[in-house]
Amino acid sequence: GENVEQHPSTLSVQEGDSAVIKCTYSDSASNYFPWYKQELGKGPQLIIDIRSNVGEKKDQRIAVTLNKTAKHFSLHITETQPEDSAVYFCAASKDTGFQKLVFGTGTRLLVSP
Amino acid sequence: DAGVTQSPTHLIKTRGQQVTLRCSPKSGHDTVSWYQQALGQGPQFIFQYYEEEERQRGNFPDRFSGHQFPNYSSELNVNALLLGDSALYLCASSPSRTGGATQYFGPGTRLLVL
Repeated sequence: GENVEQHPSTLSVQEGDSAVIKCTYSDSASNYFPWYKQELGKGPQLIIDIRSNVGEKKDQRIAVTLNKTAKHFSLHITETQPEDSAVYFCAASKDTGFQKLVFGTGTRLLVSP
Repeated sequence: DAGVTQSPTHLIKTRGQQVTLRCSPKSGHDTVSWYQQALGQGPQFIFQYYEEEERQRGNFPDRFSGHQFPNYSSELNVNALLLGDSALYLCASSPSRTGGATQYFGPGTRLLVL
């Protein structure tokens, strides 16, 4: 079955810096890759996703890149703000039929003012 | 537009008891998935319901069962609770008409088993 690895487990940056979180997946049939942000005491919030027919996707300060050959994808956050502090999860899934999301282990991002 | 809602928010049970958790999907969504999130870990898939049937199941024992109602809401039942069942239980909904992979999560129910 699918296995998703995520690095780093913790990431500390200064406000205004960029942050990059990386994930690798094992199942070459996976073609849908969402990213979730989870704040303390809340459920995961979908922040951006990408499908395998696209190499990069941007939404304001957030971008995701996908290298299907190498089976890895990354989340890039530019101009970080203290409110970006949270745990971020990557996930992988097939995009047809009834599919489950397989999550990485999470990255705790701390943005210091 | 209400998002995914779950009840209760918190629950304390003792070993051996049974628990029922509830979920109402986002408006327009007909597929409901349940996940278990242990402290410090990513969510783990339990099962998925569509048209009132279990469509896919993760690696969880039969003590975990579910149900989906005609209005698409869903319940997760756990029998014979173990200490290791303590976790945040998350419900996610998705619209089957767009493939169902894009899932939106509720706030979760935090279960503590003593």
